[in-house]
Amino acid sequence: GESVGLHLPTLSVQEGDNSIINCAYSNSASDYFIWYKQESGKGPQFIIDIRSNMDKRQGQRVTVLLNKTVKHLSLQIAATQPGDSAVYFCAERASGNTGKLIFGQGTTLQVKP
Amino acid sequence: NAGVTQTPKFQVLKTGQSMTLQCAQDMNHEYMSWYRQDPGMGLRLIHYSVGAGITDQGEVPNGYNVSRSTTEDFPLRLLSAAPSQTSVYFCASSYSPLGQPQHFGDGTRLSIL
Repeated sequence: GESVGLHLPTLSVQEGDNSIINCAYSNSASDYFIWYKQESGKGPQFIIDIRSNMDKRQGQRVTVLLNKTVKHLSLQIAATQPGDSAVYFCAERASGNTGKLIFGQGTTLQVKP
Repeated sequence: NAGVTQTPKFQVLKTGQSMTLQCAQDMNHEYMSWYRQDPGMGLRLIHYSVGAGITDQGEVPNGYNVSRSTTEDFPLRLLSAAPSQTSVYFCASSYSPLGQPQHFGDGTRLSIL
């Protein structure tokens, strides 16, 4: 079946360090992946996406890496700031035309000053 | 630009009551969807719509109805509230269900007593 999981429920980093949040997915047919950030009391906020025909995509301070061989997705945040503290979800678009996103459980990123 | 607007933000209901959660978007998005978020379960798709007049069931549709009479609005109705429907409900929208990031509202926190 389709499922998306994250390796660590909580990640604690020092301000200024780089953060890496990992995600594993099970459906090799998935063709589109998204990272969301969710702050307390807010809805998921789009960070970056990547299609399966790409291995890497960069945004402002964020990079997503996709390894289709091992079905692994990661989000790298450069120079982590206190404002980056949140829960991060990876999401996989389910096969077919429903648009359904399959979300992982989420990783809580804590940034220590 | 308001994006996706959900009302109310909080609601407490008694078992058996009915209510409608409102969702509106001003981005002219064709695709809209409803998710519920429960602790340890991630976000799960309830219903979705690929355009005005078209709706379909997601992963957990039982106990909920939707309609899409306009592009902008996608209300979610609880017919007879049950404690198992206590959750945080998120509405999302995108230009299409394929390869486009979905943008989320800030949610409705619903408690059923």
